[in-house]
Amino acid sequence: DVKVTQSSRYLVKRTGEKVFLECVQDMDHENMFWYRQDPGLGLRLIYFSYDVKMKEKGDIPEGYSVSREKKERFSLILESASTNQTSMYLCASSLSGYNPRETQYFGPGTRLLVL
Amino acid sequence: AQSVTQPDIHITVSEGASLELRCNYSYGATPYLFWYVQSPGQGLQLLLKYFSGDTLVQGIKGFEAEFKRSQSSFNLRKPSVHWSDAAEYFCAVVPAGGGNKLTFGTGTQLKVEL
Repeated sequence: DVKVTQSSRYLVKRTGEKVFLECVQDMDHENMFWYRQDPGLGLRLIYFSYDVKMKEKGDIPEGYSVSREKKERFSLILESASTNQTSMYLCASSLSGYNPRETQYFGPGTRLLVL
Repeated sequence: AQSVTQPDIHITVSEGASLELRCNYSYGATPYLFWYVQSPGQGLQLLLKYFSGDTLVQGIKGFEAEFKRSQSSFNLRKPSVHWSDAAEYFCAVVPAGGGNKLTFGTGTQLKVEL
């Protein structure tokens, strides 16, 4: 079974703090994704990566950056957290390439509260 | 504009009753279609997906979905709902030429009455 783990289930941070959300997958997947989930808005793609050291912007990248130094790990960075970044963050991975048929496997999510 | 719509925010059904969750899309070419489920406190799990061929697809947990090109719809169904089906359900698409990037609907929260 594919396992996608996220470093924290719950996180409380203060406005202006730098925040790191970590995601690790154990199935040698090439693709990794970060989404945020908000009530009434569904999931929205923040950033994704199809390979190590590669990243592409999703639909809502503003205020976020990412890092992928190793194939299994994809980090989401909030350079200066703001209250409007309070949300649920979900990481996902899929096998490889640009194949639209690949299933994405999701982690359990990190619920972030920015005070 | 390209979009995927789930018209029902909340649905309540009695245990044992049938279920249909609606999903409509607006894309020039038929996208790849998915249904995911999110149980409370969990990540998302794929229920089923449609790419081409037979328009009725079977998924896990007794769910099925029917693709209707004329209605730009991909509705999720289950003949008899169990209390454990209470969850949030998301329809998602990958547009033709969209790589592996999912675009999600806003979700439908299912409540099951015992």
